[in-house]
Amino acid sequence: EPEVTQTPSHQVTQMGQEVILRCVPISNHLYFYWYRQILGQKVEFLVSFYNNEISEKSEIFDDQFSVERPDGSNFTLKIRSTKLEDSAMYFCASSEDGTRGGDEQYFGPGTRLTVT
Amino acid sequence: RKEVEQDPGPFNVPEGATVAFNCTYSNSASQSFFWYRQDCRKEPKLLMSVYSSGNEDGRFTAQLNRASQYISLLIRDSKLSDSATYLCVVNLEGGYNKLIFGAGTRLAVHP
Repeated sequence: EPEVTQTPSHQVTQMGQEVILRCVPISNHLYFYWYRQILGQKVEFLVSFYNNEISEKSEIFDDQFSVERPDGSNFTLKIRSTKLEDSAMYFCASSEDGTRGGDEQYFGPGTRLTVT
Repeated sequence: RKEVEQDPGPFNVPEGATVAFNCTYSNSASQSFFWYRQDCRKEPKLLMSVYSSGNEDGRFTAQLNRASQYISLLIRDSKLSDSATYLCVVNLEGGYNKLIFGAGTRLAVHP
């Protein structure tokens, strides 16, 4: 069964450093997403990406964040200058399309980001 | 008012029990509805989409009441492996598939 993969599984970084989280969405999916979950809290939407551009982003997704699809398979989330409050689990997800029935999102196993 | 509201639980039930979870959502423009399950420190896994007419998948039955903005999930014949957090999730029309998650309801099934 096709699945979303993410690397690394755990990233430890110092405050102020840049991190890049990587995802490989399901191959025939066209919509890609990043979510985050701070420990003990609910899953929160960060950004959606379609046709090589951001289609929607949340208030959390400020200028410190960017996304890219550098090639035909990878989808990345970059945080330019990490803060302590960026510590969270970051989930990548993908869906076949945006229509009803095709909008089921499948999540990767997540990258646990720890900022010290 | 929270966008998606769930009873946090925990629901502690014996194996074989039937358990029901409820969820309310605030935005009447919500178009798609889902139940996900999440095990501790793992990713949300899609359990089932919820359709207007209600739908069933094995031991799981989901219902949607658009007028009351209410979604439910019924689990019959609970198994130990059903122990997890159940997340109620909605997707707004025109929201470019931005999923809005509830905080989840924790279920613990004991022998």
